[in-house]
Order: sequence, then C-alpha cells, then structure tokens
Amino acid sequence: EPEVTQTPSHQVTQMGQEVILRCVPISNHLYFYWYRQILGQKVEFLVSFYNNEISEKSEIFDDQFSVERPDGSNFTLKIRSTKLEDSAMYFCAPKPISGNTIYFGEGSWLTVV
Amino acid sequence: EDKVVQSPLSLVVHEGDTVTLNCSYEVTNFRSLLWYKQEKKAPTFLFMLTSSGIEKKSGRLSSILDKKELFSILNITATQTGDSAVYLCAVGGDTGNQFYFGTGTSLTVIP
Repeated sequence: EPEVTQTPSHQVTQMGQEVILRCVPISNHLYFYWYRQILGQKVEFLVSFYNNEISEKSEIFDDQFSVERPDGSNFTLKIRSTKLEDSAMYFCAPKPISGNTIYFGEGSWLTVV
Repeated sequence: EDKVVQSPLSLVVHEGDTVTLNCSYEVTNFRSLLWYKQEKKAPTFLFMLTSSGIEKKSGRLSSILDKKELFSILNITATQTGDSAVYLCAVGGDTGNQFYFGTGTSLTVIP
C-alpha cells in the first residue's frame, strides 16, 4: 500500500511549459525521494528531501528542477521549462527515518510534446 | 558506470518453473539491497536484505544476499502467470541516502 498519493496520474504538456507534480504523504514522513523512469529504462534518482531541505541531488536534477514543501505537508516537483526528454514516470517515495526501505507512490506519467 | 547489474535482462518460462534472478552490485558503505516487482506502474516492495546468508521468504518468493561476493538472488518457485513483471534490484550505499537501481529483469510466465 503506497504511503503517498501522487497527482496528476498523467499529464501531457507542451515543450517549454512549466509542470508541477504533487506528492501528498499519508503519514508523517520526513524523508522523501523523487525518482523518474523513462519508458523502458532504469529508475533514476533525482533528489532527496529531508526536513524541508534538499538533502542530495543527482546530475539530472539541474536548474530546471525544484522541490518544495509549500504547506508543510504536500511535496511538489517543479520542472520549469519542459523538454521532450523529460517525458517519464515520476515517482515520489517516502522513507521511514529508522528504516532502509523506500515505498513508491503510484507515479505521475509526464508526456512532453 | 553501473553500480547495480541485473541478469538476465529477460526471461521466458512456463508456469510451474522455478526461476533465479541475479543482482550484483558495487557500492561502498553498503546499507541495504531492495527487491521490487514492477507490473504496470509503480514498483512494489518485495524484500529488504542487509545481512549475508539470511534468507528472506514470502510465499513462493525468496531472496538471499552475499555481501562478500556482492550479489543477491531472487528465487521464484512454481511460477504463475501473475508473476510476469519486471523485477528490480536497488542498493543503498556510498555517501548519501540514495538508492541505485538496476535495469531490471523482465520475467514472462507462459501458461
């Protein structure tokens, strides 16, 4: 059972447009990851977020990307100016503070045209 | 450079067969190895392994870790069509808290 709800489940956007993907935790996790998976490829780490700050980010997570926790509970992943290669499934995944397992949300499928 | 390598890339078996999926890794400061099953959308968690030689079991699925040889195997006995999926291996280690994923093994079980 996923511990987060992700919205939208699917979004189609034009190249150059801004996109905001949302992650709503069901329980009060402090540690979150965003991963993405381009169709047919491996799951790739984007960024981790701990206690309202970015903890770690990958090379993929460039200036076009940002994460926020605007109201203290929901998380957002923003892509400022989408490119065709941003088309992918984006997963939000919380991790318990004391554990070493991550549980994926259902994902948001982004298609950039 | 791939830190997690899974083999085989794909596998087709008949119902009732037993399969073994492999995951080798190369990370420092190893923390844990995770197995997931991915059908249509999100990966669903199967096992977490942290200690060598201790088998984790859930029904027809089992997994074991060898920290000396840096690999893990996932066994599925008496396969069913519902086992058809991509099986992902992820390893936590190095600095930071991210997990590195392999490309997965695509399993197809034929009736």
